[in-house]
Amino acid sequence: EIVLTQSPATLSLSPGERATLSCRASQSVSSYLGWYQQKPGQAPRLLIYDASNRATGIPARFSGSGSGTDFTLTISSLEPEDFALYYCQQRSNWPRTFGQGTKVEIK
Amino acid sequence: EVQLLESGGGLVQPGGSLRLSCAASGFTFNNFAMTWVRQAPGKGLEWVSTIGATSITYYADSVKGRFTISRDNSKNTMYLQMNSLSAEDTAVYFCAKGVYNGWFDPWGQGILVTVSA
Repeated sequence: EIVLTQSPATLSLSPGERATLSCRASQSVSSYLGWYQQKPGQAPRLLIYDASNRATGIPARFSGSGSGTDFTLTISSLEPEDFALYYCQQRSNWPRTFGQGTKVEIK
Repeated sequence: EVQLLESGGGLVQPGGSLRLSCAASGFTFNNFAMTWVRQAPGKGLEWVSTIGATSITYYADSVKGRFTISRDNSKNTMYLQMNSLSAEDTAVYFCAKGVYNGWFDPWGQGILVTVSA
């Protein structure tokens, strides 16, 4: 099973600041890494797929990068609605696995 | 608009069974893989099972042999039969549609399953 480790666990930032979230895989997942956003009481939604592709309707301030084992989700300028939980997930191997999440909170 | 609606959750005793349903609309159901993901209270996301458009199935080790995923394309519905439930299965269960060749989007609103005596 591929283990995904996200860091940091919590990111405290102010609106307008840049957020950089990391996801490291225990073995290469090539570019098969995605990012989801989850707000309290809501279902997750897909932000980024295949490392760097924005899903339909996702604002351009969200971007993804990386390949192999190290990946980054960047939010260029935080909007109030971006404070949420973020999970990475791999689709390289079965079983599919998620990281433990990074909480982006208002400083 | 794609809509996914889970049903069938609730309280069940340890060792009991439950069947979840995910009713889909707004897309050609039989063309897409479908997935169950769960989230224990206050915890992260855990992939549970996926059924492909051809009905090939995949399971997490934690549910293999106890849970069975299936689909009825005539009813645009996916199911998760859950047997031998334990407290560790307590979670909100989400169904999700396959997209972009293997990702999960969108998701249903989730349904709570509580396993307790």
